[in-house]
Amino acid sequence: EVQVVESGGGLVKPGGSLRLSCEASGFTVSDAWMNWVRQAPGKGMEWVGRIKSKVDGGTTDYAAPLKGRFTISTDDSKNTLYLQMNSLKIEDTAVYYCTQLQWDCWGQGTLVTVSS
Amino acid sequence: DIQMTQSPSSLSASVGDRVTITCRASQAIRNDLGWYQQKPGKAPKRLISAASTLQSGVPSRFSGSGSGTEFTLTISSLQPEDFATYYCLQHNSDAYTFGQGTKLEIK
Repeated sequence: EVQVVESGGGLVKPGGSLRLSCEASGFTVSDAWMNWVRQAPGKGMEWVGRIKSKVDGGTTDYAAPLKGRFTISTDDSKNTLYLQMNSLKIEDTAVYYCTQLQWDCWGQGTLVTVSS
Repeated sequence: DIQMTQSPSSLSASVGDRVTITCRASQAIRNDLGWYQQKPGKAPKRLISAASTLQSGVPSRFSGSGSGTEFTLTISSLQPEDFATYYCLQHNSDAYTFGQGTKLEIK
């Protein structure tokens, strides 16, 4: 069974950094196109970014407003996807989901709260 | 980035009603679109892929159509469990985008 589990959310001050993790099971994360999607409280879904599979180049793409602050990467040894978030703003407060969209595989989400 | 304009943003309907939700893309995206259902506190679940392919296990009262820039999700006869929020997601370009969502409420 393919499964992903996010972790690393929490409370962070504006301007701070946070790294989210997404541990995969049932598949190799670097063999899949992996996405991060977020949802601010009471708001709609927002696509954050994606990393392609290693065989497809392992390149990343991001939503335009987030480019330069967010970075997606993988660690083969841990079969884990990461989202490094820098220069965090209050409006980055959201539940962050890791997802393999082709298989419709989603984690339970991890809440990031940016507040002073 | 491609913009997805979803309408309506909310919809009040009764059990048994037929409802249609629309997504319009700011440029042609072929059929690279999925429809998702989200219930409170849960991750979204895909109902339709490739604009019109019903996912396994999804009731046949859900259907999708469209190609290019205009897409629709139709629920032929609303059931109580269908009251939720629906999103379209385009994956044609390097940057994917969701529609703004449609909250389907009981009248």
